[in-house]
Amino acid sequence: GQQVMQIPQYQHVQEGEDFTTYCNSSTTLSNIQWYKQRPGGHPVFLIQLVKSGEVKKQKRLTFQFGEAKKNSSLHITATQTTDVGTYFCAALQGAQKLVFGQGTRLTINP
Amino acid sequence: DAGVIQSPRHEVTEMGQEVTLRCKPISGHNSLFWYRQTMMRGLELLIYFNNNVPIDDSGMPEDRFSAKMPNASFSTLKIQPSEPRDSAVYFCASSLANNGLFFGEGSRLTVL
Repeated sequence: GQQVMQIPQYQHVQEGEDFTTYCNSSTTLSNIQWYKQRPGGHPVFLIQLVKSGEVKKQKRLTFQFGEAKKNSSLHITATQTTDVGTYFCAALQGAQKLVFGQGTRLTINP
Repeated sequence: DAGVIQSPRHEVTEMGQEVTLRCKPISGHNSLFWYRQTMMRGLELLIYFNNNVPIDDSGMPEDRFSAKMPNASFSTLKIQPSEPRDSAVYFCASSLANNGLFFGEGSRLTVL
């Protein structure tokens, strides 16, 4: 079945530095979703990308979907302590089955 | 607006006991998902329902696990008998037309 691999598994940055997490698949994806989970919390839906080459922004967050629809990235500019958490990508396997990547855990040194 | 509501938030039980986790999805959402999260295995999809009908239960670990959705506003995940390896956070999520999943706060299960 469809699997998505996320890298890196962990990332520690200084506050103010940028952060990027990558999501890769060996097969073409119909869409990709991104979620954020704060420590001790639950995953929260951030965004969905559908089109090849799509780029969407949410304030300091930039989401990209690759031209071949096999990879995606989430970039945070000038991280803040509120960005701490685990970022997951998720892809559809079939019509509705959403499979999550392993996540990238972001920690920030204030 | 009320989000996805799960109960109990925490459950500590002894091996062999029956565990029932409950979920109320967001009103109007037509799909409901049960996920399990552990450090080792991450977020695993156990089962999902569409319009109250189970569509894919291939993620249910074994026959000890069962899930029901008797109506559009309620679902249960039951483990009988429970084992220590079932210890995890169990999340329920609902969605409408694949436009993102809305998760509940989870039920943290500890089986001693």
